[in-house]
Amino acid sequence: SYVLTQPPSVSVAPGQTARITCGGNNIGSKSVHWYQQKPGQAPVVVVYDDSDRPSGIPERFSGSNSGNTATLTISRVEAGDEADYYCQVWDTSSDHLYVFGTGTKVTVL
Amino acid sequence: EVQLVQSGTEVKKPGESLKISCQGSGYSFTSYWIGWVRQMPGKGLEWMGIIYPHDSDTRYSPSFQGQVTISADKSISTAYLQWSSLKASDTAMYYCVRIMGARGDAFDIWGQGTMVTVSS
Repeated sequence: SYVLTQPPSVSVAPGQTARITCGGNNIGSKSVHWYQQKPGQAPVVVVYDDSDRPSGIPERFSGSNSGNTATLTISRVEAGDEADYYCQVWDTSSDHLYVFGTGTKVTVL
Repeated sequence: EVQLVQSGTEVKKPGESLKISCQGSGYSFTSYWIGWVRQMPGKGLEWMGIIYPHDSDTRYSPSFQGQVTISADKSISTAYLQWSSLKASDTAMYYCVRIMGARGDAFDIWGQGTMVTVSS
């Protein structure tokens, strides 16, 4: 089955930029979605189809996808961005269909 | 407001059966796929399966095929996830989700989650 690999943790100071990677074989050929999950809450989609933002999501959240790596970038990080982040793809090459990444804990220093 | 509202916390014993629910409102329930996602304590997200309420077309993750049953009653805009014989390893938070458009699209609406605890 298709595997998505994320770094377990990313630390960033307020006001700086956080970059969360999601590695997968030829992931650039797939659409990648990103979810934010704060403690005790359900996840929320922050970027879909590689780089689109749902209404209500700040422009500080952006995404890119090429080759074997997709990236979620959070600019001007705020304390409220501290959360777990998961990437996700739709993999039609197997029966597993929807695949989530391993998750990245973003800590705001 | 578009929302998915799930049934409440469950505490069950191993071997018992369980059916949890997810009711959609604020949109055409039969026009969007509904999915289920498991999150075991302290762990990541796992996709379990999806159903199209219009015709009950259902797809399961191989990891959950045969372990759970997903169904829907479009007359009351409700999807279900059920177990015939729970195990301790089924202890987890379960989320229902709406899929934005076609299969393969993002999960744009999430239910609040149903916590299931299985313990003797």
